[in-house]
Amino acid sequence: EIVLTQSPATLSLSPGERATLSCRASQSVDSDLAWYQQRPGQAPRLLIYGASNRATGIPARFSGRGSGTDFRLTINTLEPEDFAVYYCQQRHSWPLTFGGGTKVEIK
Amino acid sequence: QLQLQESGPGLVKPSETLSLTCTVSGGSISGSSFYWGWIRQPPGKGLEWIGNIYSDERTFYNPSFKSRVSISVDTAKNQFSLNLRSVTAADTALYYCARVPENWFDPWGQGTLVTVSS
Repeated sequence: EIVLTQSPATLSLSPGERATLSCRASQSVDSDLAWYQQRPGQAPRLLIYGASNRATGIPARFSGRGSGTDFRLTINTLEPEDFAVYYCQQRHSWPLTFGGGTKVEIK
Repeated sequence: QLQLQESGPGLVKPSETLSLTCTVSGGSISGSSFYWGWIRQPPGKGLEWIGNIYSDERTFYNPSFKSRVSISVDTAKNQFSLNLRSVTAADTALYYCARVPENWFDPWGQGTLVTVSS
C-alpha cells in the first residue's frame, strides 16, 4: 500500500498570504495524485487531479505540481473560504489511499 | 448537476451489518463510464477508501476490509449500496459516496454518520 504523508499537519496563515502544502508518497505515483478540500461540516471536493490539473470550477489561485514522490499544493492569496483541511490521494496502485491531511487555519 | 445522497440507519449494533444506499440524481449510473465509490471518515480523522463499483458490477475493494465488504448497484433505481458485515466501534464514521472518474472522487455526497453501539 502506498502511504501518503502530508506536511505540515497545521498551517497558520492570514488571509491574503500564500499557502504551500506538501504530500510525499512512499513510492512513486507518477502524476497520479489529487488534492481535495474539506471545509468544516462539508464533504471533500476535488481541487486538483493528475498532480496539476484544476477540477471544474476551481479558482486559478489553486495550483498543484510535482511528480514521482513529492507534490505541492499552492494557494495564492488565501481567501476566507480557503481555511479548511486539504487531503492528497493517489490512484497509482490499489488500494487507493489518502494522506492524513493538512489543516490551513487562520493565524 | 450530478448529486449523490447517502441514506441508511444511523445506528448499528456491534457484530451486525451496516447497510447504506447512495442515490444518484442528475445523471445515470448505467449510462456512464464511471465507477462509483464509498469512502469513510472516522470522527475527527482522515479519509479511507472502501471500494468502487462499475455499472456492470465489477468491483474493487480495499483489502483492509478483507471479506467484510460488498458493494452492489441497482441501475433501475440509479442507486448503489454498501454492506459492511461484523461491524465494531472502529467502524463508526461518516460514510460518503462519490462518483469515481478515473479513480478520482468527484463529486461527493454530503455524507451520513453511522455509529456502532449497543
